[in-house]
Amino acid sequence: SQQGEEDPQALSIQEGENATMNCSYKTSINNLQWYRQNSGRGLVHLILIRSNEREKHSGRLRVTLDTSKKSSSLLITASRAADTASYFCVSTSYGKLTFGQGTILTVHP
Amino acid sequence: DTAVSQTPKYLVTQMGNDKSIKCEQNLGHDTMYWYKQDSKKFLKIMFSYNNKELIINETVPNRFSPKSPDKAHLNLHINSLELGDSAVYFCASSAVSFNEKLFFGSGTQLSVL
Repeated sequence: SQQGEEDPQALSIQEGENATMNCSYKTSINNLQWYRQNSGRGLVHLILIRSNEREKHSGRLRVTLDTSKKSSSLLITASRAADTASYFCVSTSYGKLTFGQGTILTVHP
Repeated sequence: DTAVSQTPKYLVTQMGNDKSIKCEQNLGHDTMYWYKQDSKKFLKIMFSYNNKELIINETVPNRFSPKSPDKAHLNLHINSLELGDSAVYFCASSAVSFNEKLFFGSGTQLSVL
């Protein structure tokens, strides 16, 4: 199956800075989700944004969705060392999930 | 009280062997999945089961067979293991097929020697 694309592939920042990750997809979607994967662990759901929504917040997370550009972004504000992980976007289109290739985020204390 | 648990966490075996990975969810979800994550971190769906019915099988070799004794369990059996089967396998579940969030197990790292 086609993979979505995430940008950047790797991001390294200092604690306290904001981290922005972008995701592009290829087909019309029902919703888009973001997941986090810590090293050696399974994926953990962070946030889901539906195709009729443009922005959503959850704690330090802010997700935007631009269906005209087929893209989404995940912003983590005031990052912490514990935010170090891989982040995946997952687009859902008529029952088919497509995973992005992931962004590896490293937050230095 | 782990929501989705899979065993074993690590599995090292020789080519040609047959092995199984077990998965259980205590969330009362209707749909369970198996995903394969390769060395480049790409996640590919292998199977999903909804109320004991297989609803997706994405070009997976028939050496792989999912077995669901009940709604809370979806085991993965692999025959005649090959080197290329080495990967991390994740079990997941969701309340509704695909359109809602997935809950993942912690993964089984399979190494075929």
